[in-house]
Amino acid sequence: AQSVTQLGSHVSVSEGALVLLRCNYSSSVPPYLFWYVQYPNQGLQLLLKYTTGATLVKGINGFEAEFKKSETSFHLTKPSAHMSDAAEYFCAVNTGFQKLVFGTGTRLLVSP
Amino acid sequence: DGGITQSPKYLFRKEGQNVTLSCEQNLNHDAMYWYRQDPGQGLRLIYYSQIVNDFQKGDIAEGYSVSREKKESFPLTVTSAQKNPTAFYLCASSNQGALATEAFFGQGTRLTVV
Repeated sequence: AQSVTQLGSHVSVSEGALVLLRCNYSSSVPPYLFWYVQYPNQGLQLLLKYTTGATLVKGINGFEAEFKKSETSFHLTKPSAHMSDAAEYFCAVNTGFQKLVFGTGTRLLVSP
Repeated sequence: DGGITQSPKYLFRKEGQNVTLSCEQNLNHDAMYWYRQDPGQGLRLIYYSQIVNDFQKGDIAEGYSVSREKKESFPLTVTSAQKNPTAFYLCASSNQGALATEAFFGQGTRLTVV
């Protein structure tokens, strides 16, 4: 079965520092991978997605993720954190049956 | 603007009551989903529907029921059989037939048992 694992339930960074949120996937077929962001008491918003082709994917708000097949990873990065980036981030994989399977989420805390 | 509307935003349920959460979309999507979110557990799939008048159980369907009589609507009923219903519920929709398609989410309904 396809799944994703997010390492670290909480990540703390200072404003202006590099953001790195980790996601590893398990899939027997080429995966379709997604990163979503959730602000408190709101729904999820798509940040970026990997389908096929270029392994470095750019998303909204300055985020990007790199698909590394050899490491089965799809880590999310942003060069410089902003206070407004504080939220919960979810990695997800499409199982091929029109269903998304989500990781347990990583809460990003940004301090001034 | 196209999107997904969930109502109400907050809902309180007494023990033994059934409650229904509304989800409406105007994105013309065929597929719709209900997820439950609990702290530290991510999103878990309750039910999904790929076409009108058809739906399938997800990973945690016990104590829940759904209907899909119209393409735009996918209401979720939390029955008295659901022993721990307090959670944040999210409805989503997506295009059918495309593996790379993402899901679009509503703003959620927070259900609390009182």
